[in-house]
Amino acid sequence: AQSVTQLDSQVPVFEEAPVELRCNYSSSVSVYLFWYVQYPNQGLQLLLKYLSGSTLVKGINGFEAEFNKSQTSFHLRKPSVHISDTAEYFCAVSDDNNNDMRFGAGTRLTVKP
Amino acid sequence: GAGVSQTPSNKVTEKGKYVELRCDPISGHTALYWYRQSLGQGPEFLIYFQGTGAADDSGLPNDRFFAVRPEGSVSTLKIQRTERGDSAVYLCASSRPGGPAFFGQGTRLTVV
Repeated sequence: AQSVTQLDSQVPVFEEAPVELRCNYSSSVSVYLFWYVQYPNQGLQLLLKYLSGSTLVKGINGFEAEFNKSQTSFHLRKPSVHISDTAEYFCAVSDDNNNDMRFGAGTRLTVKP
Repeated sequence: GAGVSQTPSNKVTEKGKYVELRCDPISGHTALYWYRQSLGQGPEFLIYFQGTGAADDSGLPNDRFFAVRPEGSVSTLKIQRTERGDSAVYLCASSRPGGPAFFGQGTRLTVV
């Protein structure tokens, strides 16, 4: 099965600074990749997804991620964060039939004023 | 329905009791997933269904856990002889072929 590694468990940043949340995956087949966000006391929401086509994917709230097949990575970026971006971010991978989705352990992004 | 619905939202049970957690997926979604999320952790895969069949149940921790989806829509996760270590938020998600998974709000299970 696929697996995901999120290298940073916590990322503190100041407001308006850029941020990158790292995600690496392992799979023997072609994959779909996802980032989900979980705000405090809320359910998981889809932030963006890569299924095929352009390797640079834009999502909601100004986030984007780039699929890098050679490095098996799908890092999430935002050029300028807001306090409201404080949340837990999860990277997920599934095979290209959208089966068997596996999640990373999550990265807690804390935006400070 | 409009989204994935999970009931109950909260369940408190005594150690050793049997519980059932229900998931109503988005209409037309053929894939259904169950995950378990403990505090400070990412969702841990339990089982996923394609239609009525369990395509992968390798994440079920032991034989006290079982899930069914008899008509390819609603799914029930069943836990026998609950233990305090089973306490977690149980998440259900559904997806259509080639689409992302959408999650319910989860069922918070507390075993006392």
